[in-house]
Amino acid sequence: TQLLEQSPQFLSIQEGENLTVYCNSSSVFSSLQWYRQEPGEGPVLLVTVVTGGEVKKLKRLTFQFGDARKDSSLHITAAQPGDTGLYLCAGRRRTSYGKLTFGQGTILTVHP
Amino acid sequence: EAQVTQNPRYLITVTGKKLTVTCSQNMNHEYMSWYRQDPGLGLRQIYYSMNVEVTDKGDVPEGYKVSRKEKRNFPLILESPSPNQTSLYFCASSPRLAGGPGGELFFGEGSRLTVL
Repeated sequence: TQLLEQSPQFLSIQEGENLTVYCNSSSVFSSLQWYRQEPGEGPVLLVTVVTGGEVKKLKRLTFQFGDARKDSSLHITAAQPGDTGLYLCAGRRRTSYGKLTFGQGTILTVHP
Repeated sequence: EAQVTQNPRYLITVTGKKLTVTCSQNMNHEYMSWYRQDPGLGLRQIYYSMNVEVTDKGDVPEGYKVSRKEKRNFPLILESPSPNQTSLYFCASSPRLAGGPGGELFFGEGSRLTVL
């Protein structure tokens, strides 16, 4: 079983639609990151959240860290074809110093 | 240019033939780590290193070895590769402990390994 469960695993939408990707766990994380990966490349960091209840915005992307620090979400407003890619959440637990655990990823396809 | 460089990018080998995937970063980062990426499983951490001569197991270390003799290099060694180690491997580095504030992971371009 995955320590970090992402849903949905696949998302295919039309340009202009809104979407939300979820990252859930039964464990508490001291911090959580979201990465985006394009084919043939390594993941690139989008955001780091560290405080329970924290909300961060990056243009059309909104990231939220759950109050209990067990879950996070990524919301994209008015998706564009350039948003297409694999989105990964990654968390660091207080009890696993040095380890960074990734979710299984969400493949997003935005059609023109 | 700041980067993480992995070699080889592509490799096909046979079961049992020892191989090493090199990883080098030019950003003077303390933290380095290896991941494997398999469909539907995301990235799984193999080993990580918080400084020179300091390495520790990630979530899937079986069948792999690493060393950190210099700050910039963190090679991944497969002593006796098996078909279940066929995967896409990523090396990454971070200026601070990965995952927290200032702990952005910078990834290499990946090494696709096939073990027959």
